[in-house]
Amino acid sequence: DTGVSQNPRHKITKRGQNVTFRCDPISEHNRLYWYRQTLGQGPEFLTYFQNEAQLEKSRLLSDRFSAERPKGSFSTLEIQRTEQGDSAMYLCASSLTQGTGYTFGSGTRLTVV
Amino acid sequence: DQQVKQNSPSLSVQEGRISILNCDYTNSMFDYFLWYKKYPAEGPTFLISISSIKDKNEDGRFTVFLNKSAKHLSLHIVPSQPGDSAVYFCAASARRGYGGSQGNLIFGKGTKLSVKP
Repeated sequence: DTGVSQNPRHKITKRGQNVTFRCDPISEHNRLYWYRQTLGQGPEFLTYFQNEAQLEKSRLLSDRFSAERPKGSFSTLEIQRTEQGDSAMYLCASSLTQGTGYTFGSGTRLTVV
Repeated sequence: DQQVKQNSPSLSVQEGRISILNCDYTNSMFDYFLWYKKYPAEGPTFLISISSIKDKNEDGRFTVFLNKSAKHLSLHIVPSQPGDSAVYFCAASARRGYGGSQGNLIFGKGTKLSVKP
């Protein structure tokens, strides 16, 4: 297992378009998290899953954002009608239920033009 | 309102010396604290953690100290090496979550450490 994998690494999109990112966690990890990081800031929590159940969502996650984790394996994060303010690094992480620190992926850098 | 604060955006240290990175928090419900290191174009990497029932945790060159009364923690790296140059994030959790693991983490803004040869 090579860790948490995120695709694509970079995405440039026009304002108003929809984008979808994918995260493949470490296979034995039950928990999966999405974070967003903008320049000069630390990662900000968006949402997390325990297996396939989405257990918590931040108020940062507007109605334009939706995350899924079908079958409790990989997860997707979709942003509809992108805005320039959505430009950020989107980080996925996973952990064991009884784990210590999260394992983060390398992130997807989104640029909305 | 920042619940986790890293007030030093940057720190420069000579190789072989001690690096001390500081972090303050405001939420007294936080019970688990972590440090992450981040290189450019990579995701954060877990370094070390500490539970609120302890005041010190050590792992090789890295030691984290927790002062609950002051709501302050620090990461000591000794001796510092050029490969330690990165952005260091402090993070805290206010819940144990299922089975004892941390819930969602609140991160500080990070401190960029430069270790000069």
